[in-house]
Amino acid sequence: DAKTTQPPSMDCAEGRAANLPCNHSTISGNEYVYWYRQIHSQGPQYIIHGLKNNETNEMASLIITEDRKSSTLILPHATLRDTAVYYCIVQGSSNTGKLIFGQGTTLQVKP
Amino acid sequence: GAVVSQHPSRVICKSGTSVKIECRSLDFQATTMFWYRQFPKQSLMLMATSNEGSKATYEQGVEKDKFLINHASLTLSTLTVTSAHPEDSSFYICSASGRVGNQPQHFGDGTRLSIL
Repeated sequence: DAKTTQPPSMDCAEGRAANLPCNHSTISGNEYVYWYRQIHSQGPQYIIHGLKNNETNEMASLIITEDRKSSTLILPHATLRDTAVYYCIVQGSSNTGKLIFGQGTTLQVKP
Repeated sequence: GAVVSQHPSRVICKSGTSVKIECRSLDFQATTMFWYRQFPKQSLMLMATSNEGSKATYEQGVEKDKFLINHASLTLSTLTVTSAHPEDSSFYICSASGRVGNQPQHFGDGTRLSIL
């Protein structure tokens, strides 16, 4: 599976949009981009995933560049409860399904 | 959404004790479950892949005789830490997926294991 690169930390003001970038320049054609987050002392929570089209759900939007080498997770109106570590993971549909977690981005939402 | 239940949430026990952690998928059948370990201030590290009705596949460096995994049904996988020692103290997390492919995994809330 392709490796991902994320900034180690980011700050965001409460109520503003949080834009979390992820680079996955070695992604291959059948690999999806997944986003999870982990709030302190809890298990990771699935947020969203996509292949090549932009995706939106009740939690967030996922913007994938046309060349698929990078993506951005957007939390439209960040709240204090969105403070967490956000993980961007690339996974192929043909593998065993296991997820390999990197270090993620620690998002701190500030009042 | 899909729910994965993990039990117990916290365990404190003496060195040499064996500890069993359960992972259940509550509203879907999980053909595959995964077990992770997370040390403080570190990311999740995959320990093993558990497939219903077959032997688990362990990641490199994970002792299969130390961490026994059983996946006897489509809704239950167990991880037993045998003869636990203080260095086994960690946050253990399971996840489950209905099938391979693009179906997202869903995670339990983790078990914090403390060995005295």
